Amino acid sequence: AQKVTQAQTEISVVEKEDVTLDCVYETRDTTYYLFWYKQPPSGELVFLIRRNSFDEQNEISGRYSWNFQKSTSSFNFTITASQVVDSAVYFCALSEANPNYGGATNKLIFGTGTLLAVQP
Amino acid sequence: DGGITQSPKYLFRKEGQNVTLSCEQNLNHDAMYWYRQDPGQGLRLIYYSQIVNDFQKGDIAEGYSVSREKKESFPLTVTSAQKNPTAFYLCASTPGSSYNEQFFGPGTRLTVL
Repeated sequence: AQKVTQAQTEISVVEKEDVTLDCVYETRDTTYYLFWYKQPPSGELVFLIRRNSFDEQNEISGRYSWNFQKSTSSFNFTITASQVVDSAVYFCALSEANPNYGGATNKLIFGTGTLLAVQP
Repeated sequence: DGGITQSPKYLFRKEGQNVTLSCEQNLNHDAMYWYRQDPGQGLRLIYYSQIVNDFQKGDIAEGYSVSREKKESFPLTVTSAQKNPTAFYLCASTPGSSYNEQFFGPGTRLTVL
């Protein structure tokens, strides 16, 4: 069965600290995608990144970076120099293949999320 | 502006009543989804639809029903059979091709009194 684990329930840091959010996944598919979403207090999920299973290059976008390692089935997310506006719940998600739809679907499996609180 | 709208944002209902949550998108997306979120938990899939007039049960479909008569609309009915309906409900859509990210609406918070 496919599964996403975010072991960190809550993290609290002081502004300007770096913070890493962990994500470990399980899948038997050889082709899959991983995602990170941000959920601010307003509730709407905001897409951050999508990474396919064939691309293990790390990615950096401003203060955000992602480390994908297939060998450990992990897709960790680091925020450098955190800011108060980064306070939110962050979800990691895995796409699930569905043979009824040509082998792929957008059905996502979410982790339980990590609540990040950045203190001023 | 293209996007997903959900209404209402807050909804209260009495126990034993059915209630319908609205989800509309003007992104021309083929696929639409309904998720439920409970405090401290991730999102759980209720129903999804890849094309008009077709939909599939997700992981927690019991007590819910949906319809997909139009591409842009995917309403969710929470029936009286749903034993614990108080939750935050999120609707999402995606173009439908493989592995695209899902775009989410602002959510509806349902409280059963």
